[in-house]
Parts: sequence; structure tokens; C-alpha cells
Amino acid sequence: EVQLVESGGGLVQPGRSLRLSCAASGFTFDDYAMHWVRQAPGKGLEWVSGISWNRGGIGYADSVKGRFTISRDNAKNSLFLQMNSLRVEDTALYYCAKDVGYFSGWYDIWGQGTLVTVSS
Amino acid sequence: EAVMTQSPATLSVSPGERATLSCRASQSISSNVAWYQQKPGQAPRLLISDASTRATGIPARFSGSGSGTEFTLTISSLQSEDFAVYYCQQYNNWPPGFGPGTKVDIK
Repeated sequence: EVQLVESGGGLVQPGRSLRLSCAASGFTFDDYAMHWVRQAPGKGLEWVSGISWNRGGIGYADSVKGRFTISRDNAKNSLFLQMNSLRVEDTALYYCAKDVGYFSGWYDIWGQGTLVTVSS
Repeated sequence: EAVMTQSPATLSVSPGERATLSCRASQSISSNVAWYQQKPGQAPRLLISDASTRATGIPARFSGSGSGTEFTLTISSLQSEDFAVYYCQQYNNWPPGFGPGTKVDIK
């Protein structure tokens, strides 16, 4: 079964850091780009970051550039998002999503998400 | 950056009726549009890519059309499981972006 399972979310104070993980199974992980997409409570979807299969292509939304770092470990079928200098507006459910190719841009598999709450 | 808008924000439809959802891009994005369905408490699910190609396992009652700046998702005969929020997404320009969504609820 193709599956993505996120972890690492939680309650954190503004200015602190958090590292999200996404464990992939059921497909050849290093054949595909991977992405993080977030959804603030009651709001729509926002693409956060993406990384190509070989890390040769990496992109960030302007809202997180310079604060978040995406990475992957193909040997462990895992995707990560290091989030530093967190802000209240980063509060959201963070989804891991599988690209359909190198950086095709749409996502055919999504995890169930991990909730990040930034509050003092 | 291509900004996506969707209309209407909410669409009230009776089961068995046809639903037509619109998505507009601020600039031409060719046919590089995907549609997703999201039910409460669930992750989004891919319905359509390349404006009109149904994803694996998606029923034929879902169809997509359009190119350039105007796109449409049509649900030919709404089933109870189709009441959800629908998002369009462009992947022609960097960064990829989503529309604000259309909620389809029961009339």
C-alpha cells in the first residue's frame, strides 16, 4: 500500500524550532520529488516547499524562505522539514505529498498531516 | 506568480444534480491545472491533472476542462460522497499555487 506518514508536529513557542518527518512506503521513494503543503485551521492549501529526487531541485514559498529547510534521506525513504524561527502564522496542518515525477507539480499521494501549533 | 481564484465560494446542490465549479488564473497557465477534493478531517485527494485527465480510480462523473486562464470541474450527477471542498492548483508557474476552494454542500 502506498503510504505517507508525517510526524514531529506539536505545540511550540514563537521563535523556536521544530523538525517534521514523513515516512514513505509502497513506492520507489527516490524516483519522485516530494513536497510539503500546509493548511491553516479552517483555511485553504498552501504549498510550502519541494525537493527533487536527487536534491538537485529545491524550492520554498516566500513565506518560509530563509526559515525552513527541506531535506530527504532516500536510503530511509524519508522526507524532512526543519522549521526555525517559527511564527504564529506558521500554525497549520502540514501535509507531505508525493509528486508524480521529477518536479511535475501536482501530487497524487498525500499523508494525513501533522499539526504544528505556534503559540506562547 | 499565477494567482488562482475559484467561484462560487459555496455551491449548494441536490443529490443527482450537476455541479459546475470554476477556476481562473491571473495569467495563462496552459493546461497545467490539477483539481483536488478534500472532505472534513481528510487529506486532499487528486481528481484531475493536466486540466482534464482523471486520476486513477476517479469516477467518470468527474470531468475537467479548460486552458489558458479559465478552467472548469464538472460533477455530472452528485453523489452523497461528493459533498466536499474542491481546490484547483496551477503548476505552470513557480511557485505552484492553489485556489481558495469551492465548498459543495447539500441543498
